[in-house]
Amino acid sequence: SQELEQSPQSLIVQEGKNLTINCTSSKTLYGLYWYKQKYGEGLIFLMMLQKGGEEKSHEKITAKLDEKKQQSSLHITASQPSHAGIYLCGAAPYHLYNQGGKLIFGQGTELSVKP
Amino acid sequence: DSGVTQTPKHLITATGQRVTLRCSPRSGDLSVYWYQQSLDQGLQFLIQYYNGEERAKGNILERFSAQQFPDLHSELNLSSLELGDSALYFCASSPARLGTPRVYNEQFFGPGTRLTVL
Repeated sequence: SQELEQSPQSLIVQEGKNLTINCTSSKTLYGLYWYKQKYGEGLIFLMMLQKGGEEKSHEKITAKLDEKKQQSSLHITASQPSHAGIYLCGAAPYHLYNQGGKLIFGQGTELSVKP
Repeated sequence: DSGVTQTPKHLITATGQRVTLRCSPRSGDLSVYWYQQSLDQGLQFLIQYYNGEERAKGNILERFSAQQFPDLHSELNLSSLELGDSALYFCASSPARLGTPRVYNEQFFGPGTRLTVL
């Protein structure tokens, strides 16, 4: 079965610093999804990456997909306290056409931003 | 606000009891997914319904069951509850349509139901 490994597991950064979170898949990726979760709350959809080499940005968050490496990275520029939370990557283990559309998730990266 | 609603927000019950969690998907979404999040297992897929029919199953226990109604809302039933069932239960919905060119599947999550079994 497919597994997603996120690194680091936790991260503490000073406000204003840049940071990167990685997500590596054990198998082929059919789309990669990034979510943010405040502790004990629901997941907020950030962005979806579909093709190798694709890069998307939303405000100060940029995500890239390296299909060959079966890896995605999430980069936050000039971090702010509002960026604090748990970041989860999710992937579809198979093509939606053929089977159900469940997502497999990484274990999450907990980000703290010190003012 | 994702547009997915879940009730109740919190649920405290005793071992051996049965509870029902309710989810209303975003308007127009046909797929509903249920996930369980716990500290030791992380976020795990339980079951998916698409337009009223079961579409996919994950590691859902036999004590758990779900259904999706004609108005597309869904319920997750948990019975013979054990201490280990304490977790956050999320519902998600997706705009994806099976059999269409849209094959990627962003899912929008509700706020979750925190279940505590004492």
